[in-house]
Amino acid sequence: EVQLLESGGGLVQPEGSLRLSCAASGFVFSTFAMGWVRQAPGKGLDWVSTISGTADTTYYADFVMGRFTISRDNIKNTLHLEMSSLRAEDTAIYYCAKFVYAGDNFGHDAFDIWGLGTMVSVSS
Amino acid sequence: AIRMTQSPSSFSASPGDRVTITCRASQGITNYVAWYQQKPGKAPKFLIYGAATLQSGVPSRFSGSGSGTDFTLTISRLQSEDFATYYCQQYYSYPPTFGPGTKVEIK
Repeated sequence: EVQLLESGGGLVQPEGSLRLSCAASGFVFSTFAMGWVRQAPGKGLDWVSTISGTADTTYYADFVMGRFTISRDNIKNTLHLEMSSLRAEDTAIYYCAKFVYAGDNFGHDAFDIWGLGTMVSVSS
Repeated sequence: AIRMTQSPSSFSASPGDRVTITCRASQGITNYVAWYQQKPGKAPKFLIYGAATLQSGVPSRFSGSGSGTDFTLTISRLQSEDFATYYCQQYYSYPPTFGPGTKVEIK
């Protein structure tokens, strides 16, 4: 069974840092691009970042550019999101998600598997 | 960025009703649209991609259509487990963007 399990969320002060992880299982992790999507309390879904299977290509939403870094460990089948300079508006549930198709065409691909999410709260 | 809008934002319906949700893109996106269902406290569930292709395991009462800028999600006979919020998403170009959601409530 394909599964994604996020961890690392919590309460952090403004300007603080946090590292999220997503453990993947049930598929050949290294062949799929992966992404992070967030959802602020009571709000809709916002794409945050995408990384290719080989980690040589990354994309970021404008609102996290320069503050967040996506990475992956294809040996440990784990996706990461390093978050710094956190702001109150970054408060959200962060989901990791897998693209439908293997390979590099993730520019035209949707998310078929989502993790349960991990809550990040930024507050003093 | 391509903007996605949905209508209505919410509505009430009864079990057995046929319901349609509309999604519109701010520019043409061919058929690069996905639909997701989300229930309170749960992760989104992938329903449809390519505007009309049903994901494996999704009941056949769900269907999608459209191309270009206008898309629809239809539930032919609403079941109790279908009361949820539905999101469309374009994956034609980066950044991928979601609609604001349509909440389907029990009448």
